[in-house]
Amino acid sequence: GAVVSQHPSWVICKSGTSVKIECRSLDFQATTMFWYRQFPKQSLMLMATSNEGSKATYEQGVEKDKFLINHASLTLSTLTVTSAHPEDSSFYICSARPREENTEAFFGQGTRLTVV
Amino acid sequence: GEDVEQSLFLSVREGDSSVINCTYTDSSSTYLYWYKQEPGAGLQLLTYIFSNMDMKQDQRLTVLLNKKDKHLSLRIADTQTGDSAIYFCAETYSSASKIIFGSGTRLSIRP
Repeated sequence: GAVVSQHPSWVICKSGTSVKIECRSLDFQATTMFWYRQFPKQSLMLMATSNEGSKATYEQGVEKDKFLINHASLTLSTLTVTSAHPEDSSFYICSARPREENTEAFFGQGTRLTVV
Repeated sequence: GEDVEQSLFLSVREGDSSVINCTYTDSSSTYLYWYKQEPGAGLQLLTYIFSNMDMKQDQRLTVLLNKKDKHLSLRIADTQTGDSAIYFCAETYSSASKIIFGSGTRLSIRP
């Protein structure tokens, strides 16, 4: 099946710094990518929908200035957590959909962010 | 709005069948999915069903859809220890739409 690669798999950063997470579709073009956040023992909460070449659409309650999303190409979307704080520590997962209709969404392996 | 609900825990004996249930509210859901998440890992798509289907079987997995009641179930036959994971039910309207996830059901296997 199609592969979505997320990098890094885990990252530890100091409070106040920014962290960038990459999501790449390796063997298909993804018009739309999604970013999710998962707290321990909880479900995935959609943060934003990212369309190539346009601004991301953020879900209610998600600060767009805090979580910067860039979808510069059909194979790459990035999530930057700016001025990270310990409460931003979480598991972040991206998902990408091929351009074709009736296709499944493919998920990255996730990035575990720990802010200390 | 959209909502997907699942029970949080299920414990079954090894070799028995597991049935994980899910209900959703959006009647316009077109695609319904079951994902598996092992500890510390991303999501693995197990199977999916289109809303115009009632049942789909794939080896040990059987998905049943009752569109009238907006009820989806996943049956795992001959449950093995490797099936221990969290199973998420999810739905979406179209291939361009966001996927809405349930809370996840933690399946544990006892000897």
